[in-house]
Amino acid sequence: GAVVSQHPSRVICKSGTSVKIECRSLDFQATTMFWYRQFPKKSLMLMATSNEGSKATYEQGVEKDKFLINHASLTLSTLTVTSAHPEDSSFYICSAPPSSWRGQNTEAFFGQGTRLTVV
Amino acid sequence: AQTVTQSQPEMSVQEAETVTLSCTYDTSESDYYLFWYKQPPSRQMILVIRQEAYKQQNATENRFSVNFQKAAKSFSLKISDSQLGDAAMYFCAYRLTGNQFYFGTGTSLTVIP
Repeated sequence: GAVVSQHPSRVICKSGTSVKIECRSLDFQATTMFWYRQFPKKSLMLMATSNEGSKATYEQGVEKDKFLINHASLTLSTLTVTSAHPEDSSFYICSAPPSSWRGQNTEAFFGQGTRLTVV
Repeated sequence: AQTVTQSQPEMSVQEAETVTLSCTYDTSESDYYLFWYKQPPSRQMILVIRQEAYKQQNATENRFSVNFQKAAKSFSLKISDSQLGDAAMYFCAYRLTGNQFYFGTGTSLTVIP
């Protein structure tokens, strides 16, 4: 199946600093990527939709100035947590559904996730 | 509004037994795909099974099968001959034509040896 690589898998940063998380589709092109946040034993909360060549679409309640998303190419999207606070500590997951609909690749492929700890 | 409901936050099953996880969803669309994803302790999301809404036949993948009731908007997952490695969080989800996925709240499955 298709592979989505997310990096880093774990990161610890100090309050007030910024952290960048990368999400790459390794063997397919993704015009859209999704960024989720997951709290312990909870569901995936969609934060934003990353669109190649245009601005990201943020879900209600998500601060776009705090969670900067850049879809730099058809295989790369980045999420930057700016001026991180301890409450930003969480598990962040990206996913990329290949564009085909009636083809085999209709499911989303997920990155390994990034555990962010802000101290 | 697009919603997915998993009414069982936690379930347990004896090893080798069968368990069914429930899922209901709400959409006004007629064309969509339904999925069950598994998230083990590693937290990597793994596709378990997929169902096309336009197909009436229930999908099966080895020990995993679904009961898809389109009119009732129900999509339950049956795990037969449960194994210790099946212990995980299970998420029901559906996808519309526009790439958007909607996930349920998850069911934590414990397998008892």
